[in-house]
Amino acid sequence: DAMVIQNPRYQVTQFGKPVTLSCSQTLNHNVMYWYQQKSSQAPKLLFHYYDKDFNNEADTPDNFQSRRPNTSFCFLDIRSPGLGDAAMYLCATSRDNTGEETQYFGPGTRLLVL
Amino acid sequence: AQSVSQHNHHVILSEAASLELGCNYSYGGTVNLFWYVQYPGQHLQLLLKYFSGDPLVKGIKGFEAEFIKSKFSFNLRKPSVQWSDTAEYLCAVNAGTGGFKTIFGAGTRLFVKA
Repeated sequence: DAMVIQNPRYQVTQFGKPVTLSCSQTLNHNVMYWYQQKSSQAPKLLFHYYDKDFNNEADTPDNFQSRRPNTSFCFLDIRSPGLGDAAMYLCATSRDNTGEETQYFGPGTRLLVL
Repeated sequence: AQSVSQHNHHVILSEAASLELGCNYSYGGTVNLFWYVQYPGQHLQLLLKYFSGDPLVKGIKGFEAEFIKSKFSFNLRKPSVQWSDTAEYLCAVNAGTGGFKTIFGAGTRLFVKA
């Protein structure tokens, strides 16, 4: 089945130690998104790619970076995780950017910062 | 800035009870509206969406939602819930201007008692 895969499902890191979260898709969608979701809060868009074009949200901290080496893969890099970065990180894809498109989500990676 | 408000964080119902989950948004222009659902242990998936036409939208598993433009609302309904409807329900709005950003509500956790 076509899907969005995230690895790892759980990630524990130390304060200040860089961490990379991975997302891959078999849907061949143009757009890939990264969301941060903290407990009892709405998913918050960090950034997205349309193909190779990177679009950063204005309020996304510089500590968060992303890479999309090809259509299938997208990575979220947290350069120096703080305690406040502990959250669920959701990757999603959509075929296009019309605003009407359904987003397809991965299962998420839960990040714990010690 | 756009915002999405879901009135109830937690709802508990007995099987066969009727369900209505509220969703209000703040954007005044053309909108695309979505309800996503996350069943226990699964990833977020689309339940239904509206972008034009009949404001009463039918989705999967007997769910429907009504877009009322004058009230900036897109409430989700189901006449008779089942235990298997236990899940988290998220409302989402896209401004429909061709932009990428979809704004999510914080979600409503529904628990259906057997």
